[in-house]
Amino acid sequence: GAGVSQSPSNKVTEKGKDVELRCDPISGHTALYWYRQSLGQGLEFLIYFQGNSAPDKSGLPSDRFSAERTGGSVSTLTIQRTQQEDSAVYLCASSLDGGRAGDNEQFFGPGTRLTVL
Amino acid sequence: AQTVTQSQPEMSVQEAETVTLSCTYDTSESDYYLFWYKQPPSRQMILVIRQEAYKQQNATENRFSVNFQKAAKSFSLKISDSQLGDAAMYFCASNLQGAQKLVFGQGTRLTINP
Repeated sequence: GAGVSQSPSNKVTEKGKDVELRCDPISGHTALYWYRQSLGQGLEFLIYFQGNSAPDKSGLPSDRFSAERTGGSVSTLTIQRTQQEDSAVYLCASSLDGGRAGDNEQFFGPGTRLTVL
Repeated sequence: AQTVTQSQPEMSVQEAETVTLSCTYDTSESDYYLFWYKQPPSRQMILVIRQEAYKQQNATENRFSVNFQKAAKSFSLKISDSQLGDAAMYFCASNLQGAQKLVFGQGTRLTINP
């Protein structure tokens, strides 16, 4: 079956512009996660959606970052007024439900590499 | 602070040999999971192995096994009979900070020499 897909694969933008990154989770997965991977670093948690519950936004680095999940499926991560420090790979993951991380494996997409000039 | 630390930025091993990647973590939690993920150049994170903190027996998946030392807060990954396809970034991770979100180490780049 299809895995987690993300688009675009690469995005180059100018400082100050807004960008939207898309994530299509595995069909039937109710939990969706966004992580950011800066160059040479591990992944940093950004936001988590579970069903119809309010999302856990505790990892969003600033109010320029927002995310939504429509119809419990596709998610869009929006970065407004991009800065050079936003340059990173943005990875999306989904899991069957939002139980403990070990009970439900998170399946990752290939990520979107964002470059802010 | 609840953190995961990988102190080896790079490791290399000869094909068919055994290599061990180190990971330590800091938490006051008693129930958590630990993971090793592999990230090839395709960027897609692949789960290699997982360990529940309550289980004393070390997890094993084919050529991959862990040495989990709960008291020492250490979770190392051993790769036996290394293959060229094992070359990748390896990340140690845990759900230390909550049931769902994962905390990752900085990664270890593993090179396999033919």
